[in-house]
Amino acid sequence: QVQLQQSGPGLVKPSQTLSLTCAISGDSVSSNSVTWNWVRQSPSRGLEWLGSTYYWSKWYNDYAESVKGRITINPDTSRNHFSLQLNSVTPDDTAMYYCVRYQHSPRYFDYWGQGTLVTVSS
Amino acid sequence: DIVMTQSPLSLPVTPGEPASISCRSSQSLLHSNGYNFLHWYLQKPGQSPQLLIYLGSNRASGVPDRFSGSGSGTDFTLEISRVEAEDVGVYYCMHALQVPVTFGQGTRLEIK
Repeated sequence: QVQLQQSGPGLVKPSQTLSLTCAISGDSVSSNSVTWNWVRQSPSRGLEWLGSTYYWSKWYNDYAESVKGRITINPDTSRNHFSLQLNSVTPDDTAMYYCVRYQHSPRYFDYWGQGTLVTVSS
Repeated sequence: DIVMTQSPLSLPVTPGEPASISCRSSQSLLHSNGYNFLHWYLQKPGQSPQLLIYLGSNRASGVPDRFSGSGSGTDFTLEISRVEAEDVGVYYCMHALQVPVTFGQGTRLEIK
């Protein structure tokens, strides 16, 4: 059974960096049949995919255009986890953030973390 | 990006009665391999979303058979044959045809 355990601060100041980590159990961050994703949810944006990291002979990333240039998703093979960094945050980045596993076939999100509510406020 | 549009956004239902949710996409989700890359998720109160239906019409593991999905191309439907109290929450459709995946706005099902 795959489990995703999120950690990270729930309050970030404007212009600073949001950092979250997702610890994986029951699978490997280096697995080549899945991708590891961050999805956020807010009343204004609904459910929004932010980006992914995955290993297919080498490491790749995909990022949503809405956050490209501010986002980094990194795998950590030694700890079997992956992380999200979102720079220069504004109150519009306030949301529930989820880490999620995506099965490449048949292309769906199957395991979700418990969610972390991140508020951007001074 | 593909735009996903759900209706209705709010759905009050009497227990034991059927319910139906529509999802439309701005472009066809039918892949050349014959699959429709459209999935349904349910987010129960205070929980993360959970997979209900994948590839348009396949129930995920453990999903009761009162849930069914249908449709192809740009028009899809989620049906619940007899709503139970445990079905309350927000239902989302999501396409997985290309990057980025996108979600519908959600349909909130409540018990009358």
